[in-house]
Amino acid sequence: AQSVTQLGSHVSVSEGALVLLRCNYSSSVPPYLFWYVQYPNQGLQLLLKYTTGATLVKGINGFEAEFKKSETSFHLTKPSAHMSDAAEYFCAVSDVDNFGNEKLTFGTGTRLTIIP
Amino acid sequence: NAGVTQTPKFQVLKTGQSMTLQCAQDMNHEYMSWYRQDPGMGLRLIHYSVGAGITDQGEVPNGYNVSRSTTEDFPLRLLSAAPSQTSVYFCATKTGASYNEQFFGPGTRLTVL
Repeated sequence: AQSVTQLGSHVSVSEGALVLLRCNYSSSVPPYLFWYVQYPNQGLQLLLKYTTGATLVKGINGFEAEFKKSETSFHLTKPSAHMSDAAEYFCAVSDVDNFGNEKLTFGTGTRLTIIP
Repeated sequence: NAGVTQTPKFQVLKTGQSMTLQCAQDMNHEYMSWYRQDPGMGLRLIHYSVGAGITDQGEVPNGYNVSRSTTEDFPLRLLSAAPSQTSVYFCATKTGASYNEQFFGPGTRLTVL
């Protein structure tokens, strides 16, 4: 069974500072990895995803993530935090079960606070 | 296009009551799913459907029923609500192609007293 671990349920950074949100996964097969963002009182929306190919993936709003197979990690970064980045971020891994059905497993989330 | 819509936005139930959470999409997506979101637990899959007439259980299906009579609608039924079902419920859709983005509705906040 696959799983996702997000280190740090709360992260605070100053405006303009580097954002680093950590995600480690376990999967018995090549993983397909996602980062979703949830703004207050809204549903989730996709930031970026890794399927195959280039291991550095660029997403919306200046975020990017690097797939590192040797470390089983998919950490999310942004060089300079903006106040509008305050939200909850979820890492997720996708897999296909024995019946060919795709399922998405989410991490527990990291709430990002931006300090003015 | 409205995308994914959910009704109601908020609901308060008493233990033992039943209700249906509605989810509708106008994106013509084959795959639809229901998640519940609880503090510190992320999102957990309740039920999903890969097309009209086809449903299957997710990680936490107990206490919930679903049906999929049309491509557009995927209602979630609570037959006898329990306080443990207090949560925020999200419906999501995607195309049938593997590993594509899921599109989420705005959520329904349910409180069971």
